[in-house]
Amino acid sequence: DGGITQSPKYLFRKEGQNVTLSCEQNLNHDAMYWYRQDPGQGLRLIYYSQIVNDFQKGDIAEGYSVSREKKESFPLTVTSAQKNPTAFYLCASGPLEGWAEAFFGQGTRLTVV
Amino acid sequence: GNSVTQMEGPVTLSEEAFLTINCTYTATGYPSLFWYVQYPGEGLQLLLKATKADDKGSNKGFEATYRKETTSFHLEKGSVQVSDSAVYFCALRTGGADGLTFGKGTHLIIQP
Repeated sequence: DGGITQSPKYLFRKEGQNVTLSCEQNLNHDAMYWYRQDPGQGLRLIYYSQIVNDFQKGDIAEGYSVSREKKESFPLTVTSAQKNPTAFYLCASGPLEGWAEAFFGQGTRLTVV
Repeated sequence: GNSVTQMEGPVTLSEEAFLTINCTYTATGYPSLFWYVQYPGEGLQLLLKATKADDKGSNKGFEATYRKETTSFHLEKGSVQVSDSAVYFCALRTGGADGLTFGKGTHLIIQP
């Protein structure tokens, strides 16, 4: 089945640690996105990528980093510089065409302990 | 820039009631419009979409019509079920590289 796989589903991080969230898609989509979801704030864009080896900052990129070494993969690292990392993180992918929807993974819930 | 405004929740209805969730937008350019649904602990699923003015998107009894003159895309369903309880997001895309712009979401609660 084609789709987007995020792992792990739950992740716990100690303060001061970096953690990496995985996102893999087999839909052959060019564009990939990372969103952060907090209660009552909707989805906020962290980073996005249109092509391998290229990515751009979204609205809340501070404290995060990404890579796009393969078309299928777009991992997100939450660094120790992110002051409030506890949130639900959603990865999405989609065609570049402006009329097209994005497809979402099941999300990773990150908790700082 | 682009923005989406939707009614804040929670919206609580009884089963079989009529549902309307309002969505209005501001966009630079000519957007495509979407409704997504999110069940607890899960990602977003596309519910329906419309890509040009006067288009009606429909799925699972839900409908929304792209109204360019009022910049709106209100979600409706004639008879809701308990299983429709979820968070609903209105979104738009204008073809920019940064993808979709989302509203803050409306939490819908259907009581039996």
